[in-house]
Amino acid sequence: AQSVTQLDSHVSVSEGTPVLLRCNYSSSYSPSLFWYVQHPNKGLQLLLKYTSAATLVKGINGFEAEFKKSETSFHLTKPSAHMSDAAEYFCVVSATGNQFYFGTGTSLTVIP
Amino acid sequence: GAGVSQSPSNKVTEKGKDVELRCDPISGHTALYWYRQSLGQGLEFLIYFQGNSAPDKSGLPSDRFSAERTGGSVSTLTIQRTQQEDSAVYLCASSLVWRGSFGEKLFFGSGTQLSVL
Repeated sequence: AQSVTQLDSHVSVSEGTPVLLRCNYSSSYSPSLFWYVQHPNKGLQLLLKYTSAATLVKGINGFEAEFKKSETSFHLTKPSAHMSDAAEYFCVVSATGNQFYFGTGTSLTVIP
Repeated sequence: GAGVSQSPSNKVTEKGKDVELRCDPISGHTALYWYRQSLGQGLEFLIYFQGNSAPDKSGLPSDRFSAERTGGSVSTLTIQRTQQEDSAVYLCASSLVWRGSFGEKLFFGSGTQLSVL
């Protein structure tokens, strides 16, 4: 079985400070892992994905995530938050390639 | 089209009525998914179509929910005898899957906001 747990439902950071959104996964097989972002009134957009290549994955808008098998984690980070980063972020796991399991989401607020 | 298109964008219905939600995937995408997003919740998988294979209906919450995909393209999600707990955003996504591919990117539509009064 596959699942993801997003450890924080809400994260608030000041503009210009680092962002850390935490995700732990459970999978019986070697998983693919994704982060998607959902801006208000917009569709979900892929930020980055991990599929068993490099464990440090770089995505769009300066985000990156590191796959740590020993910790079953795939945390999303960004060195410096921008106001436009305020959105809902979803961690996603897929072990079969055609079934995707979404976390409950983390709402990121960026304070000016 | 350029992206995944869903219609209507908003649907208000009365309890007990049937509704149909439409999804037009990206041309050439073989995989199509329906998800439901309730307020404050993650995305709940409903159903998955891949090419001519039998759909994976394991996520449909009850027999009031059904979906079809005609000609490998447009899909319709039907909810019969709607209930208030069906109120949610229904999202459609498509992806291009080929032999040997794994974990391909999902392209999402903007969703249909369903409100059951």
